[in-house]
Parts: sequence; structure tokens; C-alpha cells
Amino acid sequence: GENVEQHPSTLSVQEGDSAVIKCTYSDSASNYFPWYKQELGKGPQLIIDIRSNVGEKKDQRIAVTLNKTAKHFSLHITETQPEDSAVYFCAAISYSSASKIIFGSGTRLSIRP
Amino acid sequence: SAVISQKPSRDICQRGTSLTIQCQVDSQVTMMFWYRQQPGQSLTLIATANQGSEATYESGFVIDKFPISRPNLTFSTLTVSNMSPEDSSIYLCSVEEGHSDTQYFGPGTRLTVL
Repeated sequence: GENVEQHPSTLSVQEGDSAVIKCTYSDSASNYFPWYKQELGKGPQLIIDIRSNVGEKKDQRIAVTLNKTAKHFSLHITETQPEDSAVYFCAAISYSSASKIIFGSGTRLSIRP
Repeated sequence: SAVISQKPSRDICQRGTSLTIQCQVDSQVTMMFWYRQQPGQSLTLIATANQGSEATYESGFVIDKFPISRPNLTFSTLTVSNMSPEDSSIYLCSVEEGHSDTQYFGPGTRLTVL
């Protein structure tokens, strides 16, 4: 079945700098890759997603890139702000596992003032 | 996106008891799911709640321990039965609108079992 690996597990960046979180997936048939942000005491919130027919997608300070050949996808946050501090999860849809979403292990992002 | 609410938001329970968690959506949705998130961990799918039929459980989860109901397209319940401290987790419901693959999550229910 699908496996999604996420790195790093923790990330601390200076406010205003960029943050990058990377994921790899194992199932070459996967074609949908969402990213979720989970703040303390809240449920995961979808912040951006990408499908396999697109290599990059941007939404203001957030961008996601996808390399299907290498089975890598990454989240890029520019001009980080204190409110970006949260746990971020990448995920992939595994069609080999009845379209179940498989989540990465999470990255705890801290923004230093 | 759909607005999802869960009740209760948190609870502290004694071992051996059961707790039923409710998930309400403000619009009709095709798919509803239940997840468990153990402390400091990622999300694990418990089951897919099917409207009008038995839920579809993932490996490692059984109906006797986690009975699920879905009487209509906007509501589902998850019961955590005969609880032990190992059941202390956040339980989350999610919905998929249409056949978009995109899932939206509720706020979660934080369960502590003593």
C-alpha cells in the first residue's frame, strides 16, 4: 500500500524567512496531494492541494510543487509570520488502497520572532 | 466548504465505559470518515461511515469496539466502547464533498480515559 514520508519532523525559522517541508510517496498511481495545517486544539485545516496534472500551485504565501517522476512533493511558505506556527501534514490519495488518504507523520513548524 | 461540528469537544471518562461522539455537517455530503489521532501522532483512518449500511472498517479497527452510525447524509456517530487508557486520543470526523477527493475535518473530540 501507499506510504508517505515527511521531513523534517520539526522546523524552526526566523519570522520573515521561508519554510520548506518535503514529502515522498510510494504509490505511483497516487494523483491527489493535499496539505493540512493543524493548530493546537483544532482539527486539520486544508490549506492547499495539487493534482498530478500540475507541477506547481500557489496561493498567496503558500506554494506546493510536485515531481511525479521522483514521487516528491513540497510545501513552501514564504515571508513566514507567527500565525504560521502549527503542525503541517502532507497526504496522498492511494488508489491502490481504495482511494484512502494516507497522511505523512507531520512537521511542527515554529516561527521565531 | 462544509461546516462540520462535533460533540462533545472533549471528555474525561472512566475505563470500561463508552462514549458516543456526534458529527454534524451543514450540508449533504457523500462521504463521511472517522479518524483517530493519538497524542503527538498523525491521523489514522478508523472507518468510512456509509449512509444506510454498515461502516467500512480499516485494518486494526472492529465494529464491536468502534460502532458507527450514519442515519442520513448530514450526521454520523462514533462510539468508543469499553474504553481503556490506550483509547485516549483525538477523534476526528471528516467529509468529502461530491467526488472531489478533498476531505474537510471537524474540530475533533479530545478523549481522556482514566
